[in-house]
Amino acid sequence: AQTVTQSQPEMSVQEAETVTLSCTYDTSESDYYLFWYKQPPSRQMILVIRQEAYKQQNATENRFSVNFQKAAKSFSLKISDSQLGDAAMYFCAYSRGQKLVFGQGTRLTINP
Amino acid sequence: GAVVSQHPSWVICKSGTSVKIECRSLDFQATTMFWYRQFPKQSLMLMATSNEGSKATYEQGVEKDKFLINHASLTLSTLTVTSAHPEDSSFYICSYPSDRGKNEQFFGPGTRLTVL
Repeated sequence: AQTVTQSQPEMSVQEAETVTLSCTYDTSESDYYLFWYKQPPSRQMILVIRQEAYKQQNATENRFSVNFQKAAKSFSLKISDSQLGDAAMYFCAYSRGQKLVFGQGTRLTINP
Repeated sequence: GAVVSQHPSWVICKSGTSVKIECRSLDFQATTMFWYRQFPKQSLMLMATSNEGSKATYEQGVEKDKFLINHASLTLSTLTVTSAHPEDSSFYICSYPSDRGKNEQFFGPGTRLTVL
């Protein structure tokens, strides 16, 4: 079975600085998707960024980018120029087919 | 992205009663839908996959008779927690898979269930 591991329960960063959240996963498949979801205090899950495993190029969405290392099964999220609104729980997720498997989450705190 | 609603957003019930949670997609139709449970400070755990017109598929360890799922139409799925107990208190979230492919899911805002 696929598993997703986030080894950082909590992270904090100064406003305007850069922070990297770690994620590793385990799968025997070669074609799959990886996601980072954000869950703010409202509890609404919000898609931050998506990576398709067959693409070598790392995905980027404005201040958010990933470092996808397929051989190492690593998928980290970098948030640049951190803003107070980035404070939330961040979940890494794996998908092959329609089901999502989530990591344990990392609580990100932004210090003003 | 698609809009998904859940009702109610928050419910308190007495132990032994049943509670129904509705999940609606407001701007698209889907034959499949997912129900997740999230305990405090924990991750989302998939409970079941709801299929329109057929029986739901439950994940290992989830009691089918306790968590009744009905996918009544392409825009509505319901989760009924039967004979609720305090340990069923949790945050329940539904999601619909995107019709754009890429395995994306659109999540509802969640329902907080508290069983006294």
